[in-house]
This record gives sequence, C-alpha cells and structure tokens, in this order.
Amino acid sequence: GENVEQHPSTLSVQEGDSAVIKCTYSDSASNYFPWYKQELGKGPQLIIDIRSNVGEKKDQRIAVTLNKTAKHFSLHITETQPEDSAVYFCAANEYNDMRFGAGTRLTVKP
Amino acid sequence: DGGITQSPKYLFRKEGQNVTLSCEQNLNHDAMYWYRQDPGQGLRLIYYSQIVNDFQKGDIAEGYSVSREKKESFPLTVTSAQKNPTAFYLCASSWSRAPYEQYFGPGTRLTVT
Repeated sequence: GENVEQHPSTLSVQEGDSAVIKCTYSDSASNYFPWYKQELGKGPQLIIDIRSNVGEKKDQRIAVTLNKTAKHFSLHITETQPEDSAVYFCAANEYNDMRFGAGTRLTVKP
Repeated sequence: DGGITQSPKYLFRKEGQNVTLSCEQNLNHDAMYWYRQDPGQGLRLIYYSQIVNDFQKGDIAEGYSVSREKKESFPLTVTSAQKNPTAFYLCASSWSRAPYEQYFGPGTRLTVT
C-alpha cells in the first residue's frame, strides 16, 4: 500500500513566490527519495533526487531537504514561473519497492 | 535517442474485451514496471519485472497479466476480469529494482465503456 504521505494536495502561488511540498515516509531503511514532475497527459519526469547520506541538494531553483530522524523530506521551488505548474510526486524506496505520494498540483499564477 | 515508449496514447475498448498495452525501452534497463494512475491518486504498482522471463505482482495485480520475453519489452494485458479498467497506465524502467531512478513512458489512457 501507499506508505508515503504528501502535502498539500493542491498549492497555488503567485509567480516569483516560493513553493514547498512535504512528504513523510515510514520505512527507516529508505535511502532514495526522488521527486517527479508530471505535466498534463504525460509521464512523470525526474527533477531532483536525494540519497540518505546527504541532508540537502540543490539544482538551480529546486532544492530537496531530508530529515532522516523525522522521516520527512521536502521539495522547495524558488522564484516560481508559470511553466512550473504541474503535478509533483515524491517517492521513497520503502520495503524494496518505490512508493509514491498522492501528488501535489502546483499552480503558478502570472 | 534512448527512452521508453508506450503505445497507443489513447485506447478505447468495450467491456468484456481484453486489451494489451505496449511498452518498449532501449535504455538497456533490467527492471520494468507497470503503474496505474487514477485522478487525484498516486501511482499504484501493478506488476514489475527484474529480469527476462520473470515478473512479480504488485499491489493491484488482479485482472492484469504481463510477460517479459525480451529485455526491451514488457506488455500489459488488461483482462475482462479487471473491474474498473478505465485509467491512465504508465510503464517505467530502471537499472535495477529500487533504489534507482525510474524512467517513465508517456502513458496510455485506456477507456472502457
């Protein structure tokens, strides 16, 4: 079943603002945490990932943080642009399977 | 170009008919997966395969069947036993089973009436 919880389910921000999406997982042995972006009618595309040996990773306007003690990780998007509008999924390798959150629909208003 | 392809993009079937969704990858990945995506829900695993001629059930395998006769191909058959088959189906592949990045295909939207 689904062991990764993702919040919020929808998020609306003004262009230029930051967006934060949070996920929690349950398997303390999880060590790989990817984030995917899915545009309408397309398959998910990896945007950033993090492994459990680091606490933070950045790639231009996107960053991911990981708190292993609390078993949660977050996606941060700064200086949002309309083309960031999409559904974002977090995932974690739990109990040998990749488990996905339910998704966050991000809308960036111009 | 390396990648993963699914066909067709849209598929329409009548109730009671079996239908097969195609998935091909040229990434030389060992592992392949099928997921089902319903509106407002995450990806649910139907079947996965770690190697040719071997596959395992995922969380929602009932009413589905797969085969893995070639490394590049992992077709999914939606049988008439699947109670609610209308959904968006995604195929993915990775070097090996978790914890590796999964590459997704563009998806097939199946509508059964």
